[in-house]
Amino acid sequence: SYVLTQPPSVSVAPGQTARITCGGNNIGSKSVHWYQQKPGQAPVLVVYHDSDRPSGIPDRFSGSNSGNTATLTISRVEAGDEADYFCQVWDNSSDHPYVFGAGTQVTVL
Amino acid sequence: QVQLVQSGVEVKTPGASVKVSCKASGYSFPTYGINWVRQAPGQGLEWMGWISPSSGNRNYAQKVQDRVTMSTDTSTNTAYMELRSLRFDDTAVYFCARDSGDAEYFDYWGQGTLVAVSS
Repeated sequence: SYVLTQPPSVSVAPGQTARITCGGNNIGSKSVHWYQQKPGQAPVLVVYHDSDRPSGIPDRFSGSNSGNTATLTISRVEAGDEADYFCQVWDNSSDHPYVFGAGTQVTVL
Repeated sequence: QVQLVQSGVEVKTPGASVKVSCKASGYSFPTYGINWVRQAPGQGLEWMGWISPSSGNRNYAQKVQDRVTMSTDTSTNTAYMELRSLRFDDTAVYFCARDSGDAEYFDYWGQGTLVAVSS
């Protein structure tokens, strides 16, 4: 089945830019979706179809996808952005079509 | 507004069954599939399966397909996930999540239900 690889952790100072990567074989040919999960809460969709944002998600959150790496970028990081972030793709060639990365913990210094 | 409200904490012994509910509101329930995703303590997200409320079609992850049954009740806009023969490693928070329009991602999630398996 398809495998997504994320770094376990990313640290960033307030006001700076955090970049969270999601690696996969030719992931650029798939749509990548990103979720934010704060402790004790359900995941929240922050980016879908590589770079679209749901209503209510600040434009500080952006996404890109090319080659073997997709990236979620958080600009002007705030303390409230501290959370786990999961990437996800839909792999219709598998009997396990919804694949998640292991998650990246973002720490705001 | 779209809401998915799940049932409360469950504590079960090994070998027992659990049935978690997910009541939807704020949209046309038959129109969107419902998925179940679980998260073991300190771990990532694991997709368990999907059900279409309109057709009843289901697709289960191979890992749990022998022990799980997903169902819906369109008269109450509620989805259910039953897991049988519980094991210690089934201890997790179980989330229901609504399909997006193209069913490639999950646009709304329930608040989660902790299922603890303990002797």
